[in-house]
Amino acid sequence: DARVTQTPRHKVTEMGQEVTMRCQPILGHNTVFWYRQTMMQGLELLAYFRNRAPLDDSGMPKDRFSAEMPDATLATLKIQPSEPRDSAVYFCASGPGQDRNQPQHFGDGTRLSIL
Amino acid sequence: GNSVTQMEGPVTLSEEAFLTINCTYTATGYPSLFWYVQYPGEGLQLLLKATKADDKGSNKGFEATYRKETTSFHLEKGSVQVSDSAVYFCALSTNDMRFGAGTRLTVKP
Repeated sequence: DARVTQTPRHKVTEMGQEVTMRCQPILGHNTVFWYRQTMMQGLELLAYFRNRAPLDDSGMPKDRFSAEMPDATLATLKIQPSEPRDSAVYFCASGPGQDRNQPQHFGDGTRLSIL
Repeated sequence: GNSVTQMEGPVTLSEEAFLTINCTYTATGYPSLFWYVQYPGEGLQLLLKATKADDKGSNKGFEATYRKETTSFHLEKGSVQVSDSAVYFCALSTNDMRFGAGTRLTVKP
């Protein structure tokens, strides 16, 4: 089965450090999503891309977060500088485009702890 | 805007009990509806889906029927197992996908 791959699976770092999370979407999927999951807020959409172009990043704190797709096989989410309130599980998901009947496929997430 | 409301958890059941997790939605147009499941330490996985009114999605003993008249997509299973313990998310898709808040299910032996 094709899978979305996220690295690293776990990251612990001190506040103020830069954090980069990576995602390899399923080959052939042209839509990529970044979500953040916390106990308090649940699942929040941070940003999504179609054909590598950002379509919506309104859920992302712009001052410290940035999301890019350098190529079709890699999506990145960066936090600089990181803060303790950024501690969460970050999920990447991919989908095959604009067909609303098709589900999103999720990676297993990056569990981020900012000390 | 589009939204999904699902019953708050946590839900705790004994093995072999009947499960219902309620989900209602608000949407313009004709959404597709999904149930996802999240096991500990993993991402969300598609459990089942329905793409039009009166469709029934089913998988692994779970089922849900797309009810346009009540704007609902309730998840049911006749006999739960300990291995069904997880968080369940209802979602709808039109131009984008909206998820409910999730319902944590714990099944005790």
